[in-house]
Amino acid sequence: GQNIDQPTEMTATEGAIVQINCTYQTSGFNGLFWYQQHAGEAPTFLSYNVLDGLEEKGRFSSFLSRSKGYSYLLLKELQMKDSASYLCAVIDSNYQLIWGAGTKLIIKP
Amino acid sequence: ETGVTQTPRHLVMGMTNKKSLKCEQHLGHNAMYWYKQSAKKPLELMFVYNFKEQTENNSVPSRFSPECPNSSHLFLHLHTLQPEDSALYLCASSQGLAGGDEQYFGPGTRLTVT
Repeated sequence: GQNIDQPTEMTATEGAIVQINCTYQTSGFNGLFWYQQHAGEAPTFLSYNVLDGLEEKGRFSSFLSRSKGYSYLLLKELQMKDSASYLCAVIDSNYQLIWGAGTKLIIKP
Repeated sequence: ETGVTQTPRHLVMGMTNKKSLKCEQHLGHNAMYWYKQSAKKPLELMFVYNFKEQTENNSVPSRFSPECPNSSHLFLHLHTLQPEDSALYLCASSQGLAGGDEQYFGPGTRLTVT
């Protein structure tokens, strides 16, 4: 079967750095997305990785290792507004998007 | 209006009712999706339409019936639902079905079946 694993919940402090991990076992791989979803709102696109390595976008970075079936989202200089769920999704060999259950990130002052 | 809109935002219905959810995208995209989101579970893809043609139906019960009259509009018709169908229903669109095409989501309809 296909599976995406993420921690259910994480807590971090305002101003700090947090890394949210995602491991996947899918039939093939054609890319990986990270989305952010605030409570009661729509998911919004954060990043897309298809090649190994680190993609940086301001305070957010996303890393991919295809050989390890592993990605992480790195959030720096955390702000209270970063409290949200972070969803990892993998595109499989049939170009179907397989979603993780999401990681709820709680930021404390 | 911009992006992806959904109506209604909240819906309470009995098991014998018939209702419809509406989604509209103003992005000029060709693909549209219906997802079900339940608490602490991954997003469940229900239906995919590309250029108005249904390309995916992930074993969704027949009490959910999609309709895509054009590339900008998507409906989900509901009838004789069960309490376990209570969830957030999200609509999304993308330029196409290519791997790197990010999906843009609407705000969702919070459905409660009583």
